Amino acid sequence: KAGVTQTPRYLIKTRGQQVTLSCSPISGHRSVSWYQQTPGQGLQFLFEYFSETQRNKGNFPGRFSGRQFSNSRSEMNVSTLELGDSALYLCASSTTGLSYEQYFGPGTRLTVT
Amino acid sequence: GENVEQHPSTLSVQEGDSAVIKCTYSDSASNYFPWYKQELGKRPQLIIDIRSNVGEKKDQRIAVTLNKTAKHFSLHITETQPEDSAVYFCAADSNYQLIWGAGTKLIIKP
Repeated sequence: KAGVTQTPRYLIKTRGQQVTLSCSPISGHRSVSWYQQTPGQGLQFLFEYFSETQRNKGNFPGRFSGRQFSNSRSEMNVSTLELGDSALYLCASSTTGLSYEQYFGPGTRLTVT
Repeated sequence: GENVEQHPSTLSVQEGDSAVIKCTYSDSASNYFPWYKQELGKRPQLIIDIRSNVGEKKDQRIAVTLNKTAKHFSLHITETQPEDSAVYFCAADSNYQLIWGAGTKLIIKP
């Protein structure tokens, strides 16, 4: 089985711009979660989608949003980028949810200048 | 909100010795406790997990123990090897999300 894929792998944006990141889960996985990882901050949960529905959301501002398509692929969007949004954004897929094995993608490294 | 505390933040052990990383969680309803290993520049990978109906689980040199009464769980690595060098994260499920510890950087000294 192919693993979780994320595109693009690297991205450089300017403050104020917006960005869309994509995640393709493992075939058959219906749950996709998104995380922000910064040095010293560990993994911060953004949101989780299951069957096109957002089931839970972490403590991030409304500039961070996401969606899931009928094929389980997911996108997350960050509007009005700030310098502090520079991070590695990881997505993880699971068969049914967060209480089961999650498989991470390689991440998208976002740099905001 | 719920939280998971992980200690120590850095652990340096001699190759061949054992390493123990401890986590404490706050949500008494948590039932799933995974451990992930993240090598430098790579994605986190699940190495072992445990559910609340089990007190201990082993997989070769790795074991996890859970004490639900005290709300803490630990990762034990025996006979450490250079390839064990990485950052280890614990997590606990809470209200349909995983709450993560801050990570432990494990250094294996030759």
